[in-house]
Amino acid sequence: NAGVMQNPRHLVRRRGQEARLRCSPMKGHSHVYWYRQLPEEGLKFMVYLQKENIIDESGMPKERFSAEFPKEGPSILRIQQVVRGDSAAYFCASSPSELSIQYFGAGTRLSVL
Amino acid sequence: SQQGEEDPQALSIQEGENATMNCSYKTSINNLQWYRQNSGRGLVHLILIRSNEREKHSGRLRVTLDTSKKSSSLLITASRAADTASYFCATAIIQGAQKLVFGQGTRLTINP
Repeated sequence: NAGVMQNPRHLVRRRGQEARLRCSPMKGHSHVYWYRQLPEEGLKFMVYLQKENIIDESGMPKERFSAEFPKEGPSILRIQQVVRGDSAAYFCASSPSELSIQYFGAGTRLSVL
Repeated sequence: SQQGEEDPQALSIQEGENATMNCSYKTSINNLQWYRQNSGRGLVHLILIRSNEREKHSGRLRVTLDTSKKSSSLLITASRAADTASYFCATAIIQGAQKLVFGQGTRLTINP
């Protein structure tokens, strides 16, 4: 049973470009969470999705950021018109149900030049 | 405001010694979890303790939870060089329990 798969592991973008981060949850997991980690800091919650639904996006910036978890395929975190402040590690986690353990992927490290 | 705060921010001990890390939080929780993160890697789940539990063990790990003081501690006994990592506590709050609120972590270094 493969773990949570995130790709790419590293992503370099220039200011103004778009970044797409993908997350495939563990088999049988229908709950997906995205977190952002700035250097030397803990993780900050961004968004919680179940299949085809956004349940809680209270941690998402109001502009440029969006997330989806379609019926088929991975969850996508999309950042439009990236700025240097978006440089961070973005982690995805999945769980089989609410209030159960969240299993994390290895993260995508986004660098904005 | 930050929910979880770890103490100390950094800890350096000799191999074989015990390491204790503390975590404080502000709001009522459903459960509290501890994670380990090796440098540049993802998070590995260590242990989950529910709000109605006071102590939990897993191998060389011992976690305590004091809901009256809103604090938790993680004890690693007989530390090994491979325990070198950052350790984070994360709380699942009662409202919105689906999301975890992380502290800033304790960087633990085990010296051989």
